[in-house]
Amino acid sequence: AQSVTQPDARVTVSEGASLQLRCKYSYFGTPYLFWYVQYPRQGLQLLLKYYPGDPVVQGVNGFEAEFSKSNSSFHLRKASVHWSDWAVYFCAVSMQQGTGSKLSFGKGAKLTVSP
Amino acid sequence: ETAVFQTPNYHVTQVGNEVSFNCKQTLGHDTMYWYKQDSKKLLKIMFSYNNKQLIVNETVPRRFSPQSSDKAHLNLRIKSVEPEDSAVYLCASSFPGTGQLYFGEGSKLTVL
Repeated sequence: AQSVTQPDARVTVSEGASLQLRCKYSYFGTPYLFWYVQYPRQGLQLLLKYYPGDPVVQGVNGFEAEFSKSNSSFHLRKASVHWSDWAVYFCAVSMQQGTGSKLSFGKGAKLTVSP
Repeated sequence: ETAVFQTPNYHVTQVGNEVSFNCKQTLGHDTMYWYKQDSKKLLKIMFSYNNKQLIVNETVPRRFSPQSSDKAHLNLRIKSVEPEDSAVYLCASSFPGTGQLYFGEGSKLTVL
């Protein structure tokens, strides 16, 4: 069965510092992978997505992620964190079910940005 | 830009009452979903519909029932709420086969 593990539930980073949020997936076959962000009192928004191809994918607001089949990972990175990045970040893997998609989410990583 | 609309955003009710949440998407998507997000932010899929047809029905209590009048609408009814139903219910939509979901802002349910 597909699953995603986010080992860091809470991450604190100073504004301007770099960020990495880890994600490990379990999936039989080639996965579709996603990072979503949830700002306070809002729904989830897509940051970036990986479909089979270039392992490094660029997203919005300076985020990028790198797919590694050998490590079963899809880590999220940002070179310089801004206070507005304070949010919860979810990694997800997609499995096709008929004409729909079943997204399995990780438990989320709450990012706090310190001054 | 919000294109998945949920109402109400908040609802407080007592155990045993009936609750309905409405969802409408204006993206022209064929597939819609309901997810439950608990107090620890854990997300679990409950249902998904493709063009008014149920295609995913995870193990949820029978008091939960989805209702779809057309592919742009997917409502969620809870017949007799329990305290453990307190959560945020997120509606989403997508085109088939993409895995990319567009979410509404959520409907927060508090059961007293």
